[in-house]
Amino acid sequence: DTGVSQNPRHKITKRGQNVTFRCDPISEHNRLYWYRQTLGQGPEFLTYFQNEAQLEKSRLLSDRFSAERPKGSFSTLEIQRTEQGDSAMYLCASSSSGYGETQYFGPGTRLLVL
Amino acid sequence: RKEVEQDPGPFNVPEGATVAFNCTYSNSASQSFFWYRQDCRKEPKLLMSVYSSGNEDGRFTAQLNRASQYISLLIRDSKLSDSATYLCVVLTGTASKLTFGTGTRLQVTL
Repeated sequence: DTGVSQNPRHKITKRGQNVTFRCDPISEHNRLYWYRQTLGQGPEFLTYFQNEAQLEKSRLLSDRFSAERPKGSFSTLEIQRTEQGDSAMYLCASSSSGYGETQYFGPGTRLLVL
Repeated sequence: RKEVEQDPGPFNVPEGATVAFNCTYSNSASQSFFWYRQDCRKEPKLLMSVYSSGNEDGRFTAQLNRASQYISLLIRDSKLSDSATYLCVVLTGTASKLTFGTGTRLQVTL
């Protein structure tokens, strides 16, 4: 399967713990996006990388959140000191360069903070 | 006001029916428009792009009215397999980030 992959698919954690998610984009895609989706809502943009450079961050991305894409390939999203409000589906997408290129989504990581 | 607004539904329609979804967006600088489909507990997948001239893909027709900032999706001859949430999506700005509506849930029944 050469689509976007995300790990883990599910994560249950206790409030206050740190969690890290991984996204592997489609190999030839140099753009990578993170979105968050809560129940009954559409996905909301969190952050975006062009190669290894993080070019935009949403105000939703508090200082407890950090994302990296060290070699311009896979990306990690870390949430420190998780809160119950962080419970959501975290979706990764990738695309080629160019404006309006189709973004292909991974299956998501479903996070539950107890 | 949300950037992209949709009626959440659900729309319950019998097989074979025609159903239409509408969406409005607030940012007049928005440049590209899409409909994505999302099945329960799955990731969103691109259904079709939306062009000012209107475009069709089989049973699906999308329309864009830039003056009214309004987007529509028409599904003809609904199938059971069309049951899903349909997300209206707008691309604005240089980052190519997508702004999603809340989605409209469609349930097609026998």
